[in-house]
Order: sequence, then structure tokens, then C-alpha cells
Amino acid sequence: GAGVSQSPRYKVAKRGQDVALRCDPISGHVSLFWYQQALGQGPEFLTYFQNEAQLDKSGLPSDRFFAERPEGSVSTLKIQRTQQEDSAVYLCASNWRGGEKLFFGSGTQLSVL
Amino acid sequence: QQPVQSPQAVILREGEDAVINCSSSKALYSVHWYRQKHGEAPVFLMILLKGGEQKGHEKISASFNEKKQQSSLYLTASQLSYSGTYFCGTDRGSNYKLTFGKGTLLTVNP
Repeated sequence: GAGVSQSPRYKVAKRGQDVALRCDPISGHVSLFWYQQALGQGPEFLTYFQNEAQLDKSGLPSDRFFAERPEGSVSTLKIQRTQQEDSAVYLCASNWRGGEKLFFGSGTQLSVL
Repeated sequence: QQPVQSPQAVILREGEDAVINCSSSKALYSVHWYRQKHGEAPVFLMILLKGGEQKGHEKISASFNEKKQQSSLYLTASQLSYSGTYFCGTDRGSNYKLTFGKGTLLTVNP
């Protein structure tokens, strides 16, 4: 595709539900990132993949958060037993190499009620 | 550690200039600048590597003072399309992980 695609665009979950957020990076991009953006804040790093390998997951807030990229392209961010504090926009980004400019998707806005 | 951006918000009339600052208390390898419009994806503006270089992008340029760990984004002759929130992202040497500031909301009015 032309850009980074994320789905769904909006997700409303009841507290305690599990959710899965999908990211389809630009074709050929080796690196993939997940960031969390709270209202009125800058994006906050969650995790980093190089191909299918998750090289850094230090930003994941708790063990309820899990990310995978099994074939080195599409990635899924899963949040188990969602809490109200998980409400945020989840941004996915990709590039050819880690330190270069990031191409961001439009994000998934998660609201936990 | 999160970089500090200033000002938090600025309002301009079309054609006016603005400077947005980004400072860190830690040594930096690079500084990245992005612009985000409401409800949209952040869009890349430029990267500055340590070495004090200044880069330009149309009427938007930036500098990086390595000694002070500060970067400034310069917007000249602002256009309506410049409106949005500007974020600096800093890399302390990982070559992939960015720590973003809280952003500067820029509003350009006709």
C-alpha cells in the first residue's frame, strides 16, 4: 500500500475485554514500531521489531500488552483485560532502518469504558 | 527522559515567523522533528545528527546544538498549512528508540 495502514480506526472496549490492533507497514520496511499517544501528549515508545524479531519491548506498560510480527510484515498489538488507563491512540510506524525517518499510520483510538 | 519543548503553544498570523525549542538533560545522538495535525498521523520533517548541523526543508529549518543538547525548529513566513502540533523526538544512541516531547501547538491564522 501507499502508507502504513492501521485497523480498526476506533475501538471501544469494556473494561476487562481483550483487544487486538493491527498494523500493515509499508511494503519492504524492515523496522516496525508501536507507540502509545495519550491525549495531549507526545507518542511514547512501546516496542520495536526488526523483521519478525522483537528487539525491544521495554516500553510495554505491563504483561497485559503483547506484540507480534510473525512473518516480518503485519504486526498485531494485543492488550488483555483492558483497563481505563489503556485508553489512548496506538500508533504504528515503519521504516527501512531503525534510525531513519518514521512513517506513521493514523493510529487506532482505543477507548476503554 | 522526556525532552522539554517550548513554547507549549503559539498563535501566528500568516506570514509571521516562529521558533520552537527542544531541550534535553541527557546527551543526544540525534533529534527528529514531526508535525501532527488533529486526528492524523505524525509526519516527518527532518533529522539532525550530533555535530551542530542545520538543515532546511522549504521554509522550515532546524539546528542542533550538541553542547547544550538543544534543538530549535525555525518556521519562516508561516502558511496556514503549518498549523498543527510539532513534536521533537530524541535518540540517546539506540539508533531506533525516540523519546518525544509533549509537543508545541502551532496555530496559523489568516
